[in-house]
Amino acid sequence: EAQVTQNPRYLITVTGKKLTVTCSQNMNHEYMSWYRQDPGLGLRQIYYSMNVEVTDKGDVPEGYKVSRKEKRNFPLILESPSPNQTSLYFCASRLAGEPYEQYFGPGTRLTVT
Amino acid sequence: DQQVKQNSPSLSVQEGRISILNCDYTNSMFDYFLWYKKYPAEGPTFLISISSIKDKNEDGRFTVFLNKSAKHLSLHIVPSQPGDSAVYFCAASGNTDKLIFGTGTRLQVFP
Repeated sequence: EAQVTQNPRYLITVTGKKLTVTCSQNMNHEYMSWYRQDPGLGLRQIYYSMNVEVTDKGDVPEGYKVSRKEKRNFPLILESPSPNQTSLYFCASRLAGEPYEQYFGPGTRLTVT
Repeated sequence: DQQVKQNSPSLSVQEGRISILNCDYTNSMFDYFLWYKKYPAEGPTFLISISSIKDKNEDGRFTVFLNKSAKHLSLHIVPSQPGDSAVYFCAASGNTDKLIFGTGTRLQVFP
């Protein structure tokens, strides 16, 4: 089954404790991205990657890091989480040249206390 | 600056009637528009799209209308069903190859 998976689905952590949210897709998509969803703000792009070893900042990259060492994986790293990073996070992927129909993962709800 | 706006945070419609969800945009460089649907505890899923060269695209019960001069698009659902209850996101893309999402409208279809 074609899908984007994220782990963990739920995470409660404390300020400053490094964490990683994993994202994996099995559709051989070149393009992957991370979004956060906040009330009243919709979905905002954090980082994206056009292909392996190619990443770039989205609209709200501060406090986040990403890496793309393999085509299928695109982890999101919070080196020192803060309460304002409490949010619902989505990973998405798509084919290059198909900029529109993105496939989203199920989401990771992160709470930073 | 919110380039894609969904001014109605929620909408309630009776089953069988028409649901109309609206979206406005400010960037005239946008040339492709999409609607995504999101159920609780799931990621958004693609619903329907429209290119700027068209003014209407229909897929079953779902129709998207684009008014370029007004920078406005709308999603019509006819007839509405309880399973349509979800959050709907409008999104737009231009020459930057990036999707800009609106804030979402929560649709509730009641019996």
